[in-house]
Amino acid sequence: DTAVSQTPKYLVTQMGNDKSIKCEQNLGHDTMYWYKQDSKKFLKIMFSYNNKELIINETVPNRFSPKSPDKAHLNLHINSLELGDSAVYFCASSRSPGHHIYEQYFGPGTRLTVT
Amino acid sequence: AQTVTQSQPEMSVQEAETVTLSCTYDTSENNYYLFWYKQPPSRQMILVIRQEAYKQQNATENRFSVNFQKAAKSFSLKISDSQLGDTAMYFCAFIYSEGGATNKLIFGTGTLLAVQP
Repeated sequence: DTAVSQTPKYLVTQMGNDKSIKCEQNLGHDTMYWYKQDSKKFLKIMFSYNNKELIINETVPNRFSPKSPDKAHLNLHINSLELGDSAVYFCASSRSPGHHIYEQYFGPGTRLTVT
Repeated sequence: AQTVTQSQPEMSVQEAETVTLSCTYDTSENNYYLFWYKQPPSRQMILVIRQEAYKQQNATENRFSVNFQKAAKSFSLKISDSQLGDTAMYFCAFIYSEGGATNKLIFGTGTLLAVQP
């Protein structure tokens, strides 16, 4: 059973298109995240949702819009794709942060290539 | 601001030998965790080991252990009896609690480890 899954795993598209990446977790976690890994392998958080509420938005262009229909799903929609959006996008989930800190479980990543 | 620094972009080790990967971090927080993640060519992010800042004892997981020096803000990873399957990019990561508001991982730039047969 896959804990955190993402679809698609690979996405090749042209500049200007709109695309979505889907993420689902079956761990019963309340918090989900999107991270971006650039061509130099640097990983940086983009968004975090807790119980379907946005709690982290790391100055990501507003062409990127996350949507959480329920606690188990966090999708990422990207409008007007640009060459610089080419990267690997990772979804992750964890128990709700609080006084305790919980580790995050990552999906397999989606490699987005914009041509 | 919290930062994580990995000063070794690439390292190489012979199979069965021991290697240590370095990581330093900067924070004024008291309640935080440190992690090492492994990313093999499959690109899956795999948690290798975690260390709670309030614990003095260094964490160990089979062949993996850490040397956590809180005062020096250092968190190195030692891999003993290196295996070919250990070949991967290794990321040091830091996370802290802001009373429930945030739980974001801050990653270092990674160390690419190659285990040679």
